[in-house]
Amino acid sequence: DAGITQSPRHKVTETGTPVTLRCHQTENHRYMYWYRQDPGHGLRLIHYSYGVKDTDKGEVSDGYSVSRSKTEDFLLTLESATSSQTSVYFCATRWEGHVRSGANVLTFGAGSRLTVL
Amino acid sequence: QKEVEQNSGPLSVPEGAIASLNCTYSDRGSQSFFWYRQYSGKSPELIMSIYSNGDKEDGRFTAQLNKASQYVSLLIRDSQPSDSATYLCAVISPGNQFYFGTGTSLTVIP
Repeated sequence: DAGITQSPRHKVTETGTPVTLRCHQTENHRYMYWYRQDPGHGLRLIHYSYGVKDTDKGEVSDGYSVSRSKTEDFLLTLESATSSQTSVYFCATRWEGHVRSGANVLTFGAGSRLTVL
Repeated sequence: QKEVEQNSGPLSVPEGAIASLNCTYSDRGSQSFFWYRQYSGKSPELIMSIYSNGDKEDGRFTAQLNKASQYVSLLIRDSQPSDSATYLCAVISPGNQFYFGTGTSLTVIP
């Protein structure tokens, strides 16, 4: 995950406040993803992007928005944080190419732990 | 029905034994399959990928794929305490989306 940086790594906030998590990649990968990970639920996709300004929803997108104005940056915003959004958030990237060459593999950032009080 | 199902464990094996981790998937059209390892407090890291029926070996790890049974497994030979982690099975669906299982927790007892 040397090419993927998430910030902040830890954040504590209060219910109702906006929060933005940032994912920065140096790999020039077209696809970027935001997942949340909770005990008993595994990794669940929030939103993903397949290019600059091209984004789509995942299975748990309610309460989240994303933006991608540059290839290297993918932002996840919680407009009004709730306690149910307390989680560990992972950004991931994927490069396209022939599967035999190792393409289509997700590579994860180190994660951002968010606590909403 | 979940896209990917794993036995959550926990699975405990003695050091030096073979650990066997299993995963089933629901979409018969899935083509790409992955095993990720996740240490506590860390991010998932890829350890194996498999695309064709049969076995694929990499060091102490062997991934097995049976598309007819929609079944993927991971064998860890000569298990070491450093293998203690949660193992996540992942599948790319025909819609080009990744789906993850909830993970199997493995503990290797010295």
